[in-house]
Amino acid sequence: ETGVTQTPRHLVMGMTNKKSLKCEQHLGHNAMYWYKQSAKKPLELMFVYSLEERVENNSVPSRFSPECPNSSHLFLHLHTLQPEDSALYLCASSPNSGTVWGGYTFGSGTRLTVV
Amino acid sequence: EDQVTQSPEALRLQEGESSSLNCSYTVSGLRGLFWYRQDPGKGPEFLFTLYSAGEEKEKERLKATLTKKESFLHITAPKPEDSATYLCAVQAVGGNQFYFGTGTSLTVIP
Repeated sequence: ETGVTQTPRHLVMGMTNKKSLKCEQHLGHNAMYWYKQSAKKPLELMFVYSLEERVENNSVPSRFSPECPNSSHLFLHLHTLQPEDSALYLCASSPNSGTVWGGYTFGSGTRLTVV
Repeated sequence: EDQVTQSPEALRLQEGESSSLNCSYTVSGLRGLFWYRQDPGKGPEFLFTLYSAGEEKEKERLKATLTKKESFLHITAPKPEDSATYLCAVQAVGGNQFYFGTGTSLTVIP
């Protein structure tokens, strides 16, 4: 157990479905992140939340909608996805969103397949 | 443009056969370079942070070194349990974003 828990671990959804990914951390960290990991590509930063406020949004399509109701929870709401959105979605946390001396703590990810 | 390149893409070693993984980077100013290990079906696990050229960090059979242009992850006498994908990431001065490489997939054969 890494301290960052993601659910579900696997998700198959149709292009017209709406689903949500959940991330939870009880490390006392103030920053949380969503990353997308596709085969043969570097991790892509999607969203950054610091103290529940979104501080970065890397030109992510509007079919991905993040939500951070408190410093321990982060959601990624999905709707009208495309097959190319199939990937491993990773949640991470860190003590703050600036210099991250000890690196991120990642969850195990949600493997998303869009059919 | 800030970027990170890792080589080789894949590496197969016999148990006990030492080798090195490379991470070359171009950033306007380096705030930190990070190494992670990722096992199949899991998220990356933090290994080391290096901040300045000449710095070295060690953990069990792993040793990370840093120069002004690249970092090496040296694996001494690897064991099958060292098999994983090793990711490198850099954080630039003045920015919060991390730039990740595509990783090196290491397989250690008994």
